[in-house]
Amino acid sequence: GQGVEQPDNLMSVEGTFARVNCTYSTSGFNGLSWYQQREGHAPVFLSYVVLDGLKDSGHFSTFLSRSNGYSYLLLTELQIKDSASYLCAVSMPNYNVLYFGSGTKLTVEP
Amino acid sequence: NSKVIQTPRYLVKGQGQKAKMRCIPEKGHPVVFWYQQNKNNEFKFLINFQNQEVLQQIDMTEKRFSAECPSNSPCSLEIQSSEAGDSALYLCASSRDWGGAHQNTLYFGAGTRLSVL
Repeated sequence: GQGVEQPDNLMSVEGTFARVNCTYSTSGFNGLSWYQQREGHAPVFLSYVVLDGLKDSGHFSTFLSRSNGYSYLLLTELQIKDSASYLCAVSMPNYNVLYFGSGTKLTVEP
Repeated sequence: NSKVIQTPRYLVKGQGQKAKMRCIPEKGHPVVFWYQQNKNNEFKFLINFQNQEVLQQIDMTEKRFSAECPSNSPCSLEIQSSEAGDSALYLCASSRDWGGAHQNTLYFGAGTRLSVL
């Protein structure tokens, strides 16, 4: 919604990495967040970025390019339990609202 | 585990019936959001509060949906006359700080899954 787009599905292999992409075209930008949502569970906050560049948080890293309206979440050393939906959300100034994409369902295979 | 408590987990209603769901935000969190997540996993913002005051709500909420966050009581979202298209997962989320330069982290409850038959 509100111009936040993510691919529907992504598959990768245990022990490797996965990059979940997000593009946005919102009218205004006040930061971008990533959430993980397992089937039947609540979304859980992973990371927040507001400045350009790569933010390394260990198992999860995030990249942001504001000029391109683009972010990615990088998961390294994948485990089967990383299989989940990953949601990108953009917050906009002056509106107090966080706009979510529909999420990318990551499947990690053995 | 999330400290945002939503009840009930499942709600089944007939078309035209009222549907009411509740949310207890995490302690110390004055900001509360309601989102609707449909079967295609699309998130739709409905309304948010800071303490008891509405910050913003969408047009849909103003017509058949009502919500409140009274002091010392759970927040609630009510659909006055349910429609089949209202079938979705309704997620409540709370936050300690919001807006400006804050991190804008939301803590979600497990949701109320509404089925309108």
